Amino acid sequence: EIVLTQSPGTLSLSPGERATLSCRASQSVSTSYLAWYQQKPGQAPRLLIYGAFSRATGIPDRFSGSGSGTDFTLTISRLEPEDFAVYYCQQYGGSPMWTFGQGTKVEVK
Amino acid sequence: EVQLVESGGGLVQPGRSLRLSCAASGFTFDDYAMYWVRRTPGKGLEWVSGIGWNSGNIDYADFVKGRFTISRDNAKNSLYLQMNSLRPEDTALYHCVKGPVASFRGAYFDYWGQGILVTVSS
Repeated sequence: EIVLTQSPGTLSLSPGERATLSCRASQSVSTSYLAWYQQKPGQAPRLLIYGAFSRATGIPDRFSGSGSGTDFTLTISRLEPEDFAVYYCQQYGGSPMWTFGQGTKVEVK
Repeated sequence: EVQLVESGGGLVQPGRSLRLSCAASGFTFDDYAMYWVRRTPGKGLEWVSGIGWNSGNIDYADFVKGRFTISRDNAKNSLYLQMNSLRPEDTALYHCVKGPVASFRGAYFDYWGQGILVTVSS
């Protein structure tokens, strides 16, 4: 099983600051099959990034994904008030096919 | 607008059964793979099961194999999860999830329902 470890657990930042979230895999992720999701309290998770760096439909360009192999990063260039949430990474090419990281909470400093 | 609305959750005793349903709208249901994903306080998000567009391909996480059955009715735009022999560790928020393509392998999840709570307790 591919285990995904996200860091940090919590990121305390102010609006306008840059957020850098890390996702490290225990094995190489096949063909960069890595996605990122955002979840706010009481809401369903929302797809942000797939294929490690492709933005989903309607996602602002302040969100960007990068990385390959075992190390992946989600960057939010300038935090907007609506970006404070929990972010999860997911791999979708291993066995079992889908596993998730434990999440990074981005909170207001 | 894609909408996925789960129902059928609740409190159930260990060893009993429950059937979850998901009503889908806003897209051509039989063009896409569908999934169930759950969230627990202890383990976070876990993929539970997936089904291809025509039910030809189905898979389960090891921890539910032999106990849970996924199915779909394309005529009713509905996804189901029959959960038997429930255990306390199955207590979770269960999300109905849509894939971006017809095949369910090698795909991410592009839309999620808000989830339905299942509590397994005596």
